[in-house]
Amino acid sequence: QQQVKQSPQSLIVQKGGISIINCAYENTAFDYFPWYQQFPGKGPALLIAIRPDVSEKKEGRFTISFNKSAKQFSLHIMDSQPGDSATYFCAPRNGAGANNLFFGTGTRLTVIP
Amino acid sequence: DSGVTQTPKHLITATGQRVTLRCSPRSGDLSVYWYQQSLDQGLQFLIQYYNGEERAKGNILERFSAQQFPDLHSELNLSSLELGDSALYFCASSVEGEENSPLHFGNGTRLTVT
Repeated sequence: QQQVKQSPQSLIVQKGGISIINCAYENTAFDYFPWYQQFPGKGPALLIAIRPDVSEKKEGRFTISFNKSAKQFSLHIMDSQPGDSATYFCAPRNGAGANNLFFGTGTRLTVIP
Repeated sequence: DSGVTQTPKHLITATGQRVTLRCSPRSGDLSVYWYQQSLDQGLQFLIQYYNGEERAKGNILERFSAQQFPDLHSELNLSSLELGDSALYFCASSVEGEENSPLHFGNGTRLTVT
């Protein structure tokens, strides 16, 4: 778990604002960089993911920015909504033949109306 | 609904006991993963099975074991339970052979050891 550092631990944003969550990793063997979203009482669910050969990927209000040289990637949530309130995990994959993910410690996002 | 089913939802047991957690993957998924989620350790990868065979091992204790059966359901066995084993245990499944196939998680089994 120490291979992946996620920040901040918690985040409070006004409705309509931008939420930014950061993830730093050490393992250069990581080859796939997803973000998972988890609601209380549920398992994590894939939100958006990026491959290391691109620097940015956007899906609706969600954008991943990837900086390979800095070994960092971030999740941006534009026009944040109360329904986005959840815990977010970065979970890079070790590409050494397996599909298992290394989860960050999570960021609890609260979007207030 | 992810399509991954975990039973039971809650389990309360005493230290020293043994329990079995069950997971049914999504239809068609050959890989099953087990993760442990605790407050101080976050989500930790335990073990992966692919079509009945162990594929990858993470931070799984020797007191824990898993298997995947011919019908692809999986069981995680936890023995000699300690208070520190109290956690949420998640099962996930994925389609192998597809590049970057996502993991689909069940809703977990909450284990409380008293």
